[in-house]
Amino acid sequence: SQTIHQWPATLVQPVGSPLSLECTVEGTSNPNLYWYRQAAGRGLQLLFYSVGIGQISSEVPQNLSASRPQDRQFILSSKKLLLSDSGFYLCAWRRGANTEAFFGQGTRLTVV
Amino acid sequence: KQEVTQIPAALSVPEGENLVLNCSFTDSAIYNLQWFRQDPGKGLTSLLLIQSSQREQTSGRLNASLDKSSGRSTLYIAASQPGDSATYLCAVLANAGGTSYGKLTFGQGTILTVHP
Repeated sequence: SQTIHQWPATLVQPVGSPLSLECTVEGTSNPNLYWYRQAAGRGLQLLFYSVGIGQISSEVPQNLSASRPQDRQFILSSKKLLLSDSGFYLCAWRRGANTEAFFGQGTRLTVV
Repeated sequence: KQEVTQIPAALSVPEGENLVLNCSFTDSAIYNLQWFRQDPGKGLTSLLLIQSSQREQTSGRLNASLDKSSGRSTLYIAASQPGDSATYLCAVLANAGGTSYGKLTFGQGTILTVHP
């Protein structure tokens, strides 16, 4: 069966510090991968998606970047965090573009 | 631009009641619609996926229907239990001529509380 792992579960970082959140999927190959952010009162917002290694598409301009160094690994990064980067970050995967989506357990990021 | 609305925003019911959560979307050109459950501080758990060609899907006490032409979906929960308390989210996958890449558009969710 397939599983998705996200870590860390919680993170408190000072403004201006770097960020690296990792997501890995097990039990499948060549998944479509997604990073979403859930801010209070704003619902889920798609940040990045990837349909293959090294292929990253950004949905919104922001202070964050994403990379996919391996087939089942998706990383969300920032060089310098802003207060506005605080939120709940969720990684998701699906087998193909139109199949069921599965989400990880999320990372609660607080920038102080 | 696809917009998804969920009504009500919050719902509180006594245990044992049957209930309906509503989801509407503005663009009927969709591949599928997915219902999720989210417990506080946790990720999303997929409940049901309805393809655009389907009218409904069932899983245990859950039944989801889809009326694509009117842009509506409902999630029916039978014999509700306190363990059903959570936020329920619906999300649509737009049919953008093959370029959707699996990008979901979410509603704001319905916060459900089932009290004993």
